[in-house]
Amino acid sequence: EAGVVQSPRYKIIEKKQPVAFWCNPISGHNTLYWYLQNLGQGPELLIRYENEEAVDDSQLPKDRFSAERLKGVDSTLKIQPAELGDSAVYLCASSLVGSGDYPYNEQFFGPGTRLTVL
Amino acid sequence: KNQVEQSPQSLIILEGKNCTLQCNYTVSPFSNLRWYKQDTGRGPVSLTIMTFSENTKSNGRYTATLDADTKQSSLHITASQLSDSASYICVVRMSRSNYGGSQGNLIFGKGTKLSVKP
Repeated sequence: EAGVVQSPRYKIIEKKQPVAFWCNPISGHNTLYWYLQNLGQGPELLIRYENEEAVDDSQLPKDRFSAERLKGVDSTLKIQPAELGDSAVYLCASSLVGSGDYPYNEQFFGPGTRLTVL
Repeated sequence: KNQVEQSPQSLIILEGKNCTLQCNYTVSPFSNLRWYKQDTGRGPVSLTIMTFSENTKSNGRYTATLDADTKQSSLHITASQLSDSASYICVVRMSRSNYGGSQGNLIFGKGTKLSVKP
């Protein structure tokens, strides 16, 4: 079974340009997460979807970042316009969230997209 | 403030040696604690998950311990191999009940960067 798929793996753009990342979660996973990871740091949650609904986007910089999850499967994360400080790895993760607390909710991560803004 | 602190920040050991990574947390209410391994250029991969009632859990050469009273966890790697070179991230999940099920927030540590040298 395929894991979480992300594309592109690497992206280099100039500042003020737009950029988009794509994520295909594990089949059947109802919850999808976008994280930002700076070098030497742990991932930081940007947005969490449960099916099609964004249930936690409190950390998403909404002036330049947007995300969507059409039909509750694939998701895209967009930055427009990109700034130098946006250079980071953008991780997508998915999980199967049920009514229980454990063992559900384990998140499976994709390989990430490394963004470099020049 | 909910925080996860890891030590050391980085560690270099010789192949075949053992090592122990530390994780202290101040997260409440606590649901479970996970250790992830993140290879360079890859997404994090789960090694172990422990609830408050579990004191130790092994996954091959990896053994995690949890002391819920002192809010400390450790990850012990036995007979290290070159392929163990990676960042190891401690993640604590908060327990939070929402209508229709439970979904908690994940608090990530910054990770310990382990280098295993031949």
